[in-house]
This record gives sequence, structure tokens and C-alpha cells, in this order.
Amino acid sequence: KQEVTQIPAALSVPEGENLVLNCSFTDSAIYNLQWFRQDPGKGLTSLLLIQSSQREQTSGRLNASLDKSSGRSTLYIAASQPGDSATYLCAVYGQAGTALIFGKGTTLSVSS
Amino acid sequence: SQTIHQWPATLVQPVGSPLSLECTVEGTSNPNLYWYRQAAGRGLQLLFYSVGIGQISSEVPQNLSASRPQDRQFILSSKKLLLSDSGFYLCAWSGQGSNQPQHFGDGTRLSIL
Repeated sequence: KQEVTQIPAALSVPEGENLVLNCSFTDSAIYNLQWFRQDPGKGLTSLLLIQSSQREQTSGRLNASLDKSSGRSTLYIAASQPGDSATYLCAVYGQAGTALIFGKGTTLSVSS
Repeated sequence: SQTIHQWPATLVQPVGSPLSLECTVEGTSNPNLYWYRQAAGRGLQLLFYSVGIGQISSEVPQNLSASRPQDRQFILSSKKLLLSDSGFYLCAWSGQGSNQPQHFGDGTRLSIL
């Protein structure tokens, strides 16, 4: 059974710092991995999707990497801003599954 | 462009009352549709998914049900709500195929009293 773990559960940084959020999964047989952002009380906003054949994806200040063999993904946020404060969720779509399996998220707080 | 709508945004219901949450998608056809629940302190859990009209698969046994009466409409229902049904319910859609990103609605916050 696929399990997704995100570390740390919470992170507080001052504005301007570069930071890395970690995601690990137990079954490397995945189709893709998706990173989401969730603001308090809101739905999920898709940030990046990495196909199983890809190593990384970039969007603006965000860069996500995927290492299937080790079952890991990282989300790198450059020059963090207070507006980046949110919960970041990692989810994988497994070959044996029917939908995304989510981690519990990392709650990021960026102070000005 | 594609959009997904969920309503209501918040709902307070007494134990034992019925439930109907609706989700509609615009700008695409034959999407895969999903219902997730996010309970306090827990990750998102898939409840139901549908690959077509009238085709519903349940991931976890519970007193909830789902229906897809139209291609872009997905409904989550219950005949009698339990306290444990409280949570944040999210609808999502994706294109057909296993490499398609999922897109989420704004969610419904359900509180059971």
C-alpha cells in the first residue's frame, strides 16, 4: 500500500530564505507526482506535476525534483515571501491505484 | 478554460440529517471526477471516483454515497449523517488517463452537531 510522508510537518522562515520541502513515498511504481498548495480553509491549487519519466519541473520560484528509485521528491522555493505561507501537499498517482495518495502536508510560515 | 464549482462552501447539519453536496465542472468533457475528505489532523482521503456517467467506485466503506447523473456533475450524499462525517470535502477532476493532473474545487466545510 502506497504511503506518502512529508517532512517537516511545519516550517517557519524569515522572508528571502530559500527552502526545501521533502516528500517520500514507499512504492516507486508511480505514474506521476503532484505538488499542491492549500491556503487555510481553501481548496487545493496545483503547483507542479512531474511525470514518472521526468526528473524535475520548474515554475517561477518553484522547482520540484523527483527521484523514483529512492522514493523522494523535493519542492524548492527560492527567495521565499510572506505570500508563500500555506500548507504544501505532495501526492502521488500510483500504477496500482485509482487516484492521488496524499501526504499530510508541510505548513509553511514566512515572516516579513 | 476549465473550472470546477462546489457548493455550498460551508454547511452545518444535525446528526441524522441527510446530505447533498454538488460539484460541477465546466470547459471539459468526460472528465474523471473525485470526492476527497480532509479531516482535522489527517491527510486527504479519497472517498469516491468516477470515470463516466453512472460509474462510481468507492474507496472506503461508510455511510456516504456518490452519484454522477450527468457527465460533468458529481454529487455526494448521505441519508443520515454521523458526527464522524465532519470535515472538509473536496471535489476534483482530471482528464482521462493516468498522467493527468488533478484540479480541485474550493471545498465544502461540513460541521455535524
